[in-house]
Amino acid sequence: GAGVSQSPRYKVAKRGQDVALRCDPISGHVSLFWYQQALGQGPEFLTYFQNEAQLDKSGLPSDRFFAERPEGSVSTLKIQRTQQEDSAVYLCASSPRTNLYEQYFGPGTRLTVT
Amino acid sequence: AQRVTQPEKLLSVFKGAPVELKCNYSYSGSPELFWYVQYSRQRLQLLLRHISRESIKGFTADLNKGETSFHLKKPFAQEEDSAMYYCALNRGGSNYKLTFGKGTLLTVNP
Repeated sequence: GAGVSQSPRYKVAKRGQDVALRCDPISGHVSLFWYQQALGQGPEFLTYFQNEAQLDKSGLPSDRFFAERPEGSVSTLKIQRTQQEDSAVYLCASSPRTNLYEQYFGPGTRLTVT
Repeated sequence: AQRVTQPEKLLSVFKGAPVELKCNYSYSGSPELFWYVQYSRQRLQLLLRHISRESIKGFTADLNKGETSFHLKKPFAQEEDSAMYYCALNRGGSNYKLTFGKGTLLTVNP
Protein backbone atom coordinates (compact mmCIF):
# COMPACT_ATOMS: atom_id res chain seq x y z
CA GLY A 1 0.00 0.00 0.00
CA ALA A 2 0.95 3.64 -0.19
CA GLY A 3 3.34 4.88 2.44
CA VAL A 4 3.96 8.36 3.75
CA SER A 5 4.70 10.76 0.95
CA GLN A 6 6.38 14.14 1.09
CA SER A 7 6.74 16.93 -1.41
CA PRO A 8 8.80 18.44 -2.74
CA ARG A 9 11.65 15.98 -2.38
CA TYR A 10 14.21 18.75 -2.85
CA LYS A 11 13.88 22.45 -2.25
CA VAL A 12 16.44 25.20 -2.73
CA ALA A 13 15.54 28.52 -1.16
CA LYS A 14 17.37 31.79 -0.97
CA ARG A 15 17.93 33.13 2.50
CA GLY A 16 14.89 35.07 3.58
CA GLN A 17 12.38 33.18 1.45
CA ASP A 18 9.41 31.33 2.88
CA VAL A 19 8.99 27.61 2.17
CA ALA A 20 6.17 25.11 2.64
CA LEU A 21 6.77 21.39 2.94
CA ARG A 22 3.94 18.92 2.54
CA CYS A 23 3.32 15.55 4.15
CA ASP A 24 0.67 12.99 3.19
CA PRO A 25 0.46 10.39 5.96
CA ILE A 26 -0.75 6.84 5.61
CA SER A 27 -4.53 6.80 5.33
CA GLY A 28 -6.16 6.29 8.70
CA HIS A 29 -3.10 7.21 10.76
CA VAL A 30 -4.17 9.75 13.33
CA SER A 31 -0.69 10.61 14.62
CA LEU A 32 1.72 12.68 12.59
CA PHE A 33 5.24 13.79 13.44
CA TRP A 34 7.75 16.17 11.91
CA TYR A 35 11.50 15.77 12.42
CA GLN A 36 14.51 17.79 11.33
CA GLN A 37 17.67 15.91 10.38
CA ALA A 38 20.80 17.97 9.94
CA LEU A 39 23.77 16.53 8.08
CA GLY A 40 25.49 13.85 10.13
CA GLN A 41 22.85 13.89 12.84
CA GLY A 42 19.90 11.76 13.80
CA PRO A 43 16.35 12.99 13.35
CA GLU A 44 15.26 15.56 15.91
CA PHE A 45 11.64 15.91 16.94
CA LEU A 46 9.88 19.10 15.87
CA THR A 47 6.16 18.66 16.43
CA TYR A 48 3.35 16.16 16.89
CA PHE A 49 -0.28 16.10 15.76
CA GLN A 50 -3.09 13.87 16.83
CA ASN A 51 -5.70 14.31 14.12
CA GLU A 52 -5.89 18.07 13.59
CA ALA A 53 -4.70 18.95 17.08
CA GLN A 54 -1.10 20.00 17.49
CA LEU A 55 -0.35 18.45 20.86
CA ASP A 56 3.33 19.22 21.05
CA LYS A 57 5.40 21.84 19.26
CA SER A 58 8.23 21.94 21.74
CA GLY A 59 10.85 20.98 19.15
CA LEU A 60 10.21 23.83 16.74
CA PRO A 61 13.47 25.79 16.79
CA SER A 62 11.97 29.26 16.43
CA ASP A 63 8.76 31.12 15.76
CA ARG A 64 9.70 31.09 12.08
CA PHE A 65 8.57 27.46 12.02
CA PHE A 66 4.88 26.72 11.83
CA ALA A 67 3.04 23.45 11.21
CA GLU A 68 -0.58 22.70 10.55
CA ARG A 69 -2.86 19.77 9.83
CA PRO A 70 -6.25 21.42 9.40
CA GLU A 71 -8.32 18.38 8.41
CA GLY A 72 -6.42 15.75 10.29
CA SER A 73 -4.72 14.24 7.26
CA VAL A 74 -2.27 16.26 5.13
CA SER A 75 0.19 18.39 7.07
CA THR A 76 2.28 21.36 6.04
CA LEU A 77 5.46 22.58 7.69
CA LYS A 78 6.11 26.21 6.89
CA ILE A 79 9.39 28.01 7.47
CA GLN A 80 9.38 31.76 7.18
CA ARG A 81 12.40 33.89 6.36
CA THR A 82 14.64 30.87 5.90
CA GLN A 83 18.17 30.94 7.28
CA GLN A 84 21.18 28.86 6.35
CA GLU A 85 20.91 26.88 9.56
CA ASP A 86 17.50 25.65 8.40
CA SER A 87 19.22 23.53 5.74
CA ALA A 88 18.36 19.94 6.62
CA VAL A 89 16.22 16.99 5.67
CA TYR A 90 12.71 17.34 7.03
CA LEU A 91 11.09 14.01 7.79
CA CYS A 92 7.44 13.33 8.32
CA ALA A 93 6.18 10.18 10.06
CA SER A 94 2.75 8.83 10.84
CA SER A 95 1.52 6.22 13.26
CA PRO A 96 -1.68 4.38 14.04
CA ARG A 97 -3.21 5.63 17.25
CA THR A 98 -2.75 2.33 18.96
CA ASN A 99 0.97 2.13 18.31
CA LEU A 100 2.68 5.46 18.59
CA TYR A 101 6.12 3.91 18.73
CA GLU A 102 6.12 2.36 15.31
CA GLN A 103 6.40 5.47 13.22
CA TYR A 104 6.30 5.13 9.44
CA PHE A 105 8.60 7.62 7.85
CA GLY A 106 8.35 9.46 4.57
CA PRO A 107 11.31 9.91 2.21
CA GLY A 108 11.99 13.41 3.50
CA THR A 109 12.38 16.81 1.92
CA ARG A 110 15.94 18.07 1.57
CA LEU A 111 15.96 21.82 2.09
CA THR A 112 19.01 23.81 1.07
CA VAL A 113 19.10 27.48 1.96
CA THR A 114 21.64 29.48 -0.04
CA ALA B 1 16.74 15.24 29.48
CA GLN B 2 17.25 11.95 27.73
CA ARG B 3 20.19 11.33 25.43
CA VAL B 4 21.23 8.55 23.07
CA THR B 5 24.87 7.99 22.19
CA GLN B 6 26.16 5.91 19.34
CA PRO B 7 29.93 6.07 19.71
CA GLU B 8 30.82 4.76 16.24
CA LYS B 9 29.99 6.86 13.19
CA LEU B 10 31.39 4.18 10.89
CA LEU B 11 31.70 0.41 11.29
CA SER B 12 33.14 -1.89 8.68
CA VAL B 13 33.14 -5.69 8.86
CA PHE B 14 33.54 -8.58 6.47
CA LYS B 15 30.69 -10.80 5.38
CA GLY B 16 30.16 -13.63 7.85
CA ALA B 17 31.81 -11.79 10.73
CA PRO B 18 29.91 -10.87 13.89
CA VAL B 19 28.75 -7.30 14.18
CA GLU B 20 27.82 -5.19 17.19
CA LEU B 21 26.53 -1.64 16.93
CA LYS B 22 26.76 0.17 20.22
CA CYS B 23 24.10 2.31 21.80
CA ASN B 24 24.17 3.92 25.22
CA TYR B 25 21.48 6.07 26.70
CA SER B 26 20.92 8.39 29.60
CA TYR B 27 17.50 8.57 31.17
CA SER B 28 16.55 8.13 34.78
CA GLY B 29 13.21 6.44 34.19
CA SER B 30 12.21 3.25 32.39
CA PRO B 31 12.70 3.95 28.73
CA GLU B 32 11.74 2.00 25.68
CA LEU B 33 14.53 1.49 23.17
CA PHE B 34 14.40 0.99 19.43
CA TRP B 35 16.66 0.42 16.48
CA TYR B 36 15.75 2.09 13.20
CA VAL B 37 17.53 1.33 9.91
CA GLN B 38 17.90 3.24 6.66
CA TYR B 39 19.09 1.29 3.64
CA SER B 40 20.57 3.16 0.70
CA ARG B 41 17.93 5.20 -1.13
CA GLN B 42 15.21 3.98 1.21
CA ARG B 43 13.33 5.58 4.03
CA LEU B 44 13.92 5.18 7.72
CA GLN B 45 12.16 2.11 9.11
CA LEU B 46 11.80 0.36 12.43
CA LEU B 47 14.10 -2.65 12.80
CA LEU B 48 13.28 -3.80 16.31
CA ARG B 49 12.25 -2.65 19.77
CA HIS B 50 13.36 -4.01 23.08
CA ILE B 51 9.87 -4.61 24.40
CA SER B 52 9.11 -7.21 21.75
CA ARG B 53 12.31 -9.16 22.38
CA GLU B 54 12.31 -10.52 18.85
CA SER B 55 14.97 -11.15 16.27
CA ILE B 56 14.58 -9.33 12.97
CA LYS B 57 16.79 -10.22 9.99
CA GLY B 58 19.05 -12.05 12.43
CA PHE B 59 19.57 -8.96 14.60
CA THR B 60 18.94 -8.93 18.33
CA ALA B 61 19.31 -6.27 20.98
CA ASP B 62 19.12 -6.60 24.72
CA LEU B 63 18.35 -3.76 27.04
CA ASN B 64 20.92 -3.63 29.83
CA LYS B 65 19.61 -1.22 32.42
CA GLY B 66 22.70 -1.55 34.58
CA GLU B 67 24.98 -0.42 31.79
CA THR B 68 22.27 1.75 30.16
CA SER B 69 23.00 0.10 26.84
CA PHE B 70 21.01 -1.36 23.96
CA HIS B 71 23.62 -2.77 21.60
CA LEU B 72 22.52 -4.31 18.31
CA LYS B 73 24.12 -7.64 17.42
CA LYS B 74 24.21 -10.10 14.59
CA PRO B 75 26.40 -13.21 14.61
CA PHE B 76 27.03 -13.37 10.86
CA ALA B 77 26.83 -10.13 8.90
CA GLN B 78 25.52 -10.10 5.33
CA GLU B 79 26.25 -7.58 2.59
CA GLU B 80 22.59 -6.56 2.55
CA ASP B 81 22.97 -5.42 6.16
CA SER B 82 24.97 -2.43 4.96
CA ALA B 83 22.94 0.59 6.04
CA MET B 84 22.65 3.46 8.49
CA TYR B 85 21.47 2.36 11.91
CA TYR B 86 19.89 4.67 14.46
CA CYS B 87 19.23 3.87 18.09
CA ALA B 88 16.21 5.69 19.55
CA LEU B 89 14.69 6.13 22.98
CA ASN B 90 11.17 6.80 24.16
CA ARG B 91 10.42 7.73 27.74
CA GLY B 92 7.80 5.03 27.99
CA GLY B 93 4.18 5.06 29.02
CA SER B 94 2.04 7.02 26.62
CA ASN B 95 4.91 9.25 25.57
CA TYR B 96 5.32 9.51 21.82
CA LYS B 97 8.54 11.44 21.42
CA LEU B 98 11.55 9.60 20.02
CA THR B 99 15.09 10.75 20.76
CA PHE B 100 17.55 9.47 18.18
CA GLY B 101 21.27 8.91 18.29
CA LYS B 102 23.49 10.25 15.50
CA GLY B 103 23.63 6.90 13.76
CA THR B 104 26.25 4.35 12.73
CA LEU B 105 26.98 3.58 9.10
CA LEU B 106 27.58 -0.14 8.77
CA THR B 107 29.44 -1.45 5.76
CA VAL B 108 29.66 -5.18 5.21
CA ASN B 109 32.43 -6.02 2.78
CA PRO B 110 32.38 -9.13 0.57
